[in-house]
Amino acid sequence: DAMVIQNPRYQVTQFGKPVTLSCSQTLNHNVMYWYQQKSSQAPKLLFHYYDKDFNNEADTPDNFQSRRPNTSFCFLDIRSPGLGDAAMYLCATSRAPTGRRQPQHFGDGTRLSIL
Amino acid sequence: QKEVEQNSGPLSVPEGAIASLNCTYSDRGSQSFFWYRQYSGKSPELIMSIYSNGDKEDGRFTAQLNKASQYVSLLIRDSQPSDSATYLCASRQGSQGNLIFGKGTKLSVKP
Repeated sequence: DAMVIQNPRYQVTQFGKPVTLSCSQTLNHNVMYWYQQKSSQAPKLLFHYYDKDFNNEADTPDNFQSRRPNTSFCFLDIRSPGLGDAAMYLCATSRAPTGRRQPQHFGDGTRLSIL
Repeated sequence: QKEVEQNSGPLSVPEGAIASLNCTYSDRGSQSFFWYRQYSGKSPELIMSIYSNGDKEDGRFTAQLNKASQYVSLLIRDSQPSDSATYLCASRQGSQGNLIFGKGTKLSVKP
């Protein structure tokens, strides 16, 4: 089945040690999103790619960066993770032009823990 | 600040009852609304979308939208224990805007 796949499901890293989370999709959607979700909170959009165009949310920390080498893959890089970056990271895709009827399809998420 | 507000719950209903989940939004420009179900430790799963005032039914689920009151709701009929999850309401402004999520309402269906 076409889907959004995130790897790994669980990631443990040390304080300050760079970490990369990956997302791949077989839906051939041209928009890919990265969200951060902490316990009992709403998913918070970090940034998204519209094709190759990168769109950063104004309040996304500089510590967070993203790469999209091709349509299928998107990476979230955290350069120097702090304890406050421990969260579930969700990747989502949608078809664009978005159109109001196009929902976002989510991967299973990567739960990041910081030691 | 565009916001989507939900009661965090938990909302507890007995098996077989109707669960009613509510959501309000602040941005009058919002045109599309989505309900996602999120099981603990899992990612959000789309269950309903609604764009026009009124009701939209899909199986046991009914979404209701009232743009004048800026209010969206989700009714779950014949609630099952497997419906126990957090339900996220999301809005989109226009056709290109990003989704804005509420914090979610935790639903517990007791056997």
